[in-house]
Amino acid sequence: GENVEQHPSTLSVQEGDSAVIKCTYSDSASNYFPWYKQELGKGPQLIIDIRSNVGEKKDQRIAVTLNKTAKHFSLHITETQPEDSAVYFCAASKSSASKIIFGSGTRLSIRP
Amino acid sequence: NAGVTQTPKFRVLKTGQSMTLLCAQDMNHEYMYWYRQDPGMGLRLIHYSVGEGTTAKGEVPDGYNVSRLKKQNFLLGLESAAPSQTSVYFCASSYSAGLNTGELFFGEGSRLTVL
Repeated sequence: GENVEQHPSTLSVQEGDSAVIKCTYSDSASNYFPWYKQELGKGPQLIIDIRSNVGEKKDQRIAVTLNKTAKHFSLHITETQPEDSAVYFCAASKSSASKIIFGSGTRLSIRP
Repeated sequence: NAGVTQTPKFRVLKTGQSMTLLCAQDMNHEYMYWYRQDPGMGLRLIHYSVGEGTTAKGEVPDGYNVSRLKKQNFLLGLESAAPSQTSVYFCASSYSAGLNTGELFFGEGSRLTVL
């Protein structure tokens, strides 16, 4: 089955700097790659996703890139702000299945 | 609009006891999921359902059972709780899958401690 690996497990950046989180997946048939943000005491929420027919997607300060050949995808957050502090999860899924498999998460801290 | 509601939010069990976690969604979603979250291990899929009356195993199904008797509800049961099942459990629902794999909407979690 699908296996998703996520790095780093923790990340601390200065406010205003950029943060990058990287994930790799094992199943070449996967074609949907969402990113979720989890704030303390809450359930994860979708922040951005990308499908295999595109290589990059942006939404204001966040962007995702996908390299299907290498089977890896990344989340980029620019101009980080205190409210970006949270746990971020990447995930992967196949269009023919309904299972979404998550990575192990990255705890992002923004230093003032 | 309540979204996805989990009950109970907290529970302490003794080893060997049984319990059921209830997930209810009011968005008319076909797909529902149960995940567990443990430190350093992310979210792991326990069981999921693609529609009323159907269930399927996820990554870590052992020790759990599920039922989807009504479209809006997805129950997760522990027949004989073990300390290894101490975790935070999240229910999620999705409006679609397949070619248009949809966003997961999560509940706020249920923290279970097994002594």
